[in-house]
Amino acid sequence: NAGVTQTPKFRVLKTGQSMTLLCAQDMNHEYMYWYRQDPGMGLRLIHYSVGEGTTAKGEVPDGYNVSRLKKQNFLLGLESAAPSQTSVYFCASSDGGTQYFGPGTRLLVL
Amino acid sequence: GNSVTQMEGPVTLSEEAFLTINCTYTATGYPSLFWYVQYPGEGLQLLLKATKADDKGSNKGFEATYRKETTSFHLEKGSVQVSDSAVYFCALTLTGGGNKLTFGTGTQLKVEL
Repeated sequence: NAGVTQTPKFRVLKTGQSMTLLCAQDMNHEYMYWYRQDPGMGLRLIHYSVGEGTTAKGEVPDGYNVSRLKKQNFLLGLESAAPSQTSVYFCASSDGGTQYFGPGTRLLVL
Repeated sequence: GNSVTQMEGPVTLSEEAFLTINCTYTATGYPSLFWYVQYPGEGLQLLLKATKADDKGSNKGFEATYRKETTSFHLEKGSVQVSDSAVYFCALTLTGGGNKLTFGTGTQLKVEL
């Protein structure tokens, strides 16, 4: 099993550009999450989903949108990237217990 | 609200030294507690967990005991190895509401020969 995968691994954007980060899990988990990791701040929850077709805001949702059209996929969108969104983004999934994390996407916004 | 406080790093130890990384929490209710480890360039992996007071989680020589009276979940290992060098995150979750994790800021551990 691949577990949780993330696409792309690394991306450079210019301010104002848009992009979508893809997270996929093959564990049939109901719950999926998007976090960002910044130095000295640990991981902060952006958005999450408790099932297909549902999404909810986390701690730092501004500037991001998400969609969960299929159970196995959770997409994170940046409509108009800003330098403050330079970060490492992690996706996770769970069955309500332990969360399993993907390898991360490093995003640089110039 | 819920929060997790970890000791600041980096922590630098010699191989075979004893490790303690302190973690305390504040939560409304009775959380489950976790330690995750992040090796360089990788995502987070679950190291151990405890779901109720006085439970001890253990894995790969690491241990942590859920202490409700002191709201703590300190990570310990009797003899660290160079391969243990990583960033360690303490986290909590409360049942329901999406089972969201609240993380501490992480503690970097460097183990030298």
